[in-house]
Amino acid sequence: DTGVSQNPRHKITKRGQNVTFRCDPISEHNRLYWYRQTLGQGPEFLTYFQNEAQLEKSRLLSDRFSAERPKGSFSTLEIQRTEQGDSAMYLCASSSQGVDLSYEQYFGPGTRLTVT
Amino acid sequence: GDSVTQMEGPVTLSEEAFLTINCTYTATGYPSLFWYVQYPGEGLQLLLKATKADDKGSNKGFEATYRKETTSFHLEKGSVQVSDSAVYFCALSDPVEGAQKLVFGQGTRLTINP
Repeated sequence: DTGVSQNPRHKITKRGQNVTFRCDPISEHNRLYWYRQTLGQGPEFLTYFQNEAQLEKSRLLSDRFSAERPKGSFSTLEIQRTEQGDSAMYLCASSSQGVDLSYEQYFGPGTRLTVT
Repeated sequence: GDSVTQMEGPVTLSEEAFLTINCTYTATGYPSLFWYVQYPGEGLQLLLKATKADDKGSNKGFEATYRKETTSFHLEKGSVQVSDSAVYFCALSDPVEGAQKLVFGQGTRLTINP
């Protein structure tokens, strides 16, 4: 078990460009979450998948954002027409149900996006 | 909606000092409570959790007790080390709500001086 991995770790892009991030969850985990963290704040929920189905999206996720999880394995988060306000750390987490029926989330190292 | 409030940081202590980081929450349901830690250059790691009232979560010398009457989940450690320097996040999730997404506080940066 190598944990949750995210690529790239850093991305610098110009305003108006599209970017795509990838998350590889822990292999047996059926749930996958995306969060966004800005400087000095706690992470904020963006969206979550159970297997390949995207079941909930935050209102933070504007129409320029799209996420997929084909075949219920890795996930991608795409931001179209990036804006400076999109600069943040994008975190991925995965989980499965524990014996106490709770879902402990395991986080990846994040992708830091800087929009210039 | 649900929310978490943590004590303002940064917090600076000397090695072997006693640590308390306050956390209070507002929730419509009966949430599970968590403390996550983020070491420099690393991802968020689950430090401890509690899923019902009066439960005490503990790990690596840290403890926190789920207090429903005061809606609190304060983090404590009796003797901190330099290696405890990190950012600590209190969080909750609602086990009834489908996503069980985490709602985080703003984080408290802890620095321990030798």
